[in-house]
Amino acid sequence: AQSVTQLGSHVSVSEGALVLLRCNYSSSVPPYLFWYVQYPNQGLQLLLKYTTGATLVKGINGFEAEFKKSETSFHLTKPSAHMSDAAEYFCAVSPGGYQKVTFGTGTKLQVIP
Amino acid sequence: DTAVSQTPKYLVTQMGNDKSIKCEQNLGHDTMYWYKQDSKKFLKIMFSYNNKELIINETVPNRFSPKSPDKAHLNLHINSLELGDSAVYFCASSPSGQDVYGYTFGSGTRLTVV
Repeated sequence: AQSVTQLGSHVSVSEGALVLLRCNYSSSVPPYLFWYVQYPNQGLQLLLKYTTGATLVKGINGFEAEFKKSETSFHLTKPSAHMSDAAEYFCAVSPGGYQKVTFGTGTKLQVIP
Repeated sequence: DTAVSQTPKYLVTQMGNDKSIKCEQNLGHDTMYWYKQDSKKFLKIMFSYNNKELIINETVPNRFSPKSPDKAHLNLHINSLELGDSAVYFCASSPSGQDVYGYTFGSGTRLTVV
């Protein structure tokens, strides 16, 4: 069984400030981890993913995330927020194989000018 | 070219009606999915097909029936629509059912049952 917890359903940051969106997971096997972004009235878009290897993964739009096994975390960061980053962000976990992906409940990021 | 396209984008219908949502992907992916996103943005998988074979069938009412005529298409038919079926339905695809690649999502179909 697997689960994902996203801490904070809403996060507000000032433009230019650090973005930190938190994700903790539980998985009985080494997980595959993903972050997706959803802009209003659109589908989800893959930001980045961790499968194996380097624990710091870089994605699109300047985002990155670090897999920390000891903390069972996969937090998403961006050094400097842009107005265009305002969206809903979803963390997801998969055990791999033909198993379903479990999505977190999402974090809505608001960027304040 | 749209990678995963869904039609229609919006669907408003009365309770008791039957409706279908179509999905097509031009990525050459082997696996396709239907997800339901409720008003609180919670995403729940409904079905998954790999090369036209059903591999995930979550606990959804029998009124929902997926069909995959080929690996590029996955349709969703809903019978006897209920108010609780109102949601956004997303189609997605991945290169294989091995969930290491991530999904490519369509833009969604917003279903409103009145």
